[in-house]
Amino acid sequence: DAGITQSPRHKVTETGTPVTLRCHQTENHRYMYWYRQDPGHGLRLIHYSYGVKDTDKGEVSDGYSVSRSKTEDFLLTLESATSSQTSVYFCAINGGGGTEAFFGQGTRLTVV
Amino acid sequence: AQSVSQHNHHVILSEAASLELGCNYSYGGTVNLFWYVQYPGQHLQLLLKYFSGDPLVKGIKGFEAEFIKSKFSFNLRKPSVQWSDTAEYFCAVRGGSQGNLIFGKGTKLSVKP
Repeated sequence: DAGITQSPRHKVTETGTPVTLRCHQTENHRYMYWYRQDPGHGLRLIHYSYGVKDTDKGEVSDGYSVSRSKTEDFLLTLESATSSQTSVYFCAINGGGGTEAFFGQGTRLTVV
Repeated sequence: AQSVSQHNHHVILSEAASLELGCNYSYGGTVNLFWYVQYPGQHLQLLLKYFSGDPLVKGIKGFEAEFIKSKFSFNLRKPSVQWSDTAEYFCAVRGGSQGNLIFGKGTKLSVKP
């Protein structure tokens, strides 16, 4: 398996609190992605990064921010968690060119 | 904006039946195409990928897919499914200069023994 680790794996938080999810890679890949997976919606792209400090919004970026201060870490922050952000969050990495994306194990987030 | 459509939400087959899952994408430029599989409770794993060359791509576990550029399609096939193929299947496309990777909504495959 590719060297990609998500933390935490499970989290329960209260509405209105900030939450940060971490994605750490040891592959030195350029591209990193955050997705959320919900029944009936598949995987929807939240934000992605194409280099250190280079990020862009995906399809469902409202209420989320990201940061990438070094190649190996891509942080996803829910600024003020809402129940609609209860989901499973996946991080993915990709080296670009003719390579596929590798996925982390996922983080199950519950906002109560 | 890029998008990916998977036409079947849930497919139910008996073992040994043939499988074809549809995938269409909307992006006019050069694309990379993927099929991923997600077994229950697990993360996504790559089944196969297409970047260029032969439009018929063979992947793991007997899966293959055909890229038809004129139809913007990348359908997944398997001649004979097994109970262990029960999973959710996702088609994805990557295009554009920033490497944006977009997924379809997924197709859940249930194989009856």
